[in-house]
Amino acid sequence: QQQVKQSPQSLIVQKGGISIINCAYENTAFDYFPWYQQFPGKGPALLIAIRPDVSEKKEGRFTISFNKSAKQFSLHIMDSQPGDSATYFCAATTQGGSEKLVFGKGTKLTVNP
Amino acid sequence: NAGVMQNPRHLVRRRGQEARLRCSPMKGHSHVYWYRQLPEEGLKFMVYLQKENIIDESGMPKERFSAEFPKEGPSILRIQQVVRGDSAAYFCASSPGEGFNIQYFGAGTRLSVL
Repeated sequence: QQQVKQSPQSLIVQKGGISIINCAYENTAFDYFPWYQQFPGKGPALLIAIRPDVSEKKEGRFTISFNKSAKQFSLHIMDSQPGDSATYFCAATTQGGSEKLVFGKGTKLTVNP
Repeated sequence: NAGVMQNPRHLVRRRGQEARLRCSPMKGHSHVYWYRQLPEEGLKFMVYLQKENIIDESGMPKERFSAEFPKEGPSILRIQQVVRGDSAAYFCASSPGEGFNIQYFGAGTRLSVL
């Protein structure tokens, strides 16, 4: 059972464009939603995270939009750059307890120069 | 402040051998998580440990896999009698265990079973 569904699987964007990655979750107990960025041969690195008490969080060119009623959240990368080319994973967890992360399958982003 | 350190980075084993993967958490972190990543897949939780205790092993296969986080030294993920299906990248993450659950990941160990 896949608890976090991520789309698209791959995404190609021109430099300067907006990259949008979407995730949907099923478990209403989830209350913390981080996004991780992974470059080939490296471990995932935390990019930005949100809690469901806010609908949007922005850090630089990266924005998370959160829709609690629809159980969906998305990552927007504004002014996408070739250096943003990586695989992006959304995740979800429940604070307290084991706090294990449940990951989506990832989106491979390619930003063309 | 060094990050999460995993070694070896690459490990090749033949079927039936044992694999030992090591993880040193970030300084000051007492919580360790192990995840497995298969090709073209997201990371799947395996086990969560605190010093000398296994807190949640719900993602760990019932046979051949074990994990420990001793009072002194790194956390160890041990896979006995490896099979080809064990070939994957294994990532360790650590967190301070207080406040927000921000997990910091190591670079991973890529296990290849011949």
